[in-house]
Amino acid sequence: QKEVEQDPGPLSVPEGAIVSLNCTYSNSAFQYFMWYRQYSRKGPELLMYTYSSGNKEDGRFTAQVDKSSKYISLFIRDSQPSDSATYLCAMSASGNQFYFGTGTSLTVIP
Amino acid sequence: KAGVTQTPRYLIKTRGQQVTLSCSPISGHRSVSWYQQTPGQGLQFLFEYFSETQRNKGNFPGRFSGRQFSNSRSEMNVSTLELGDSALYLCASSPNYNEQFFGPGTRLTVL
Repeated sequence: QKEVEQDPGPLSVPEGAIVSLNCTYSNSAFQYFMWYRQYSRKGPELLMYTYSSGNKEDGRFTAQVDKSSKYISLFIRDSQPSDSATYLCAMSASGNQFYFGTGTSLTVIP
Repeated sequence: KAGVTQTPRYLIKTRGQQVTLSCSPISGHRSVSWYQQTPGQGLQFLFEYFSETQRNKGNFPGRFSGRQFSNSRSEMNVSTLELGDSALYLCASSPNYNEQFFGPGTRLTVL
């Protein structure tokens, strides 16, 4: 079993829709949770960082962590064509080594 | 602040050759990690260096090696290249235990 599971998609939504991206994990020691956005032929860009459980909001983005279910989510409100990218979840127990999901490909259609 | 830089951006090599990739972290960041990204496997952790010491290592063969210099710049080396080594190699630097900031990557093609 992989440490982190992420549905690869692809996910296609109309502009303005609410997007929900999810990851599950198996290691209960994970306590640092991140979401990255990666455009084609670019390196991943850190979007959101959350420590332990709870919600964090930044503009149109909301990250949720449910440690009891070993489940994390990223919500994108009022999605824009510029949000079209691959979204990667990542997590770490110690902060030294990070485990990534395989990424979900998102397309926002104008 | 300048971001993470990686050189070269693109490389084409043949099987059996060796390659060295370079990474300059964000100023002040002492931790540098390397990842291999392929369409099938996603991002896979190679190793992490902190203050010139390898602190963590992923599950890759010994053909993959790295080092970090006193100015935190890092290099990774792949010897005896195989076709399956074709990938995007990403370097990430970190100021703490919480976040990693990625460079644009080096795209390696092995023919």
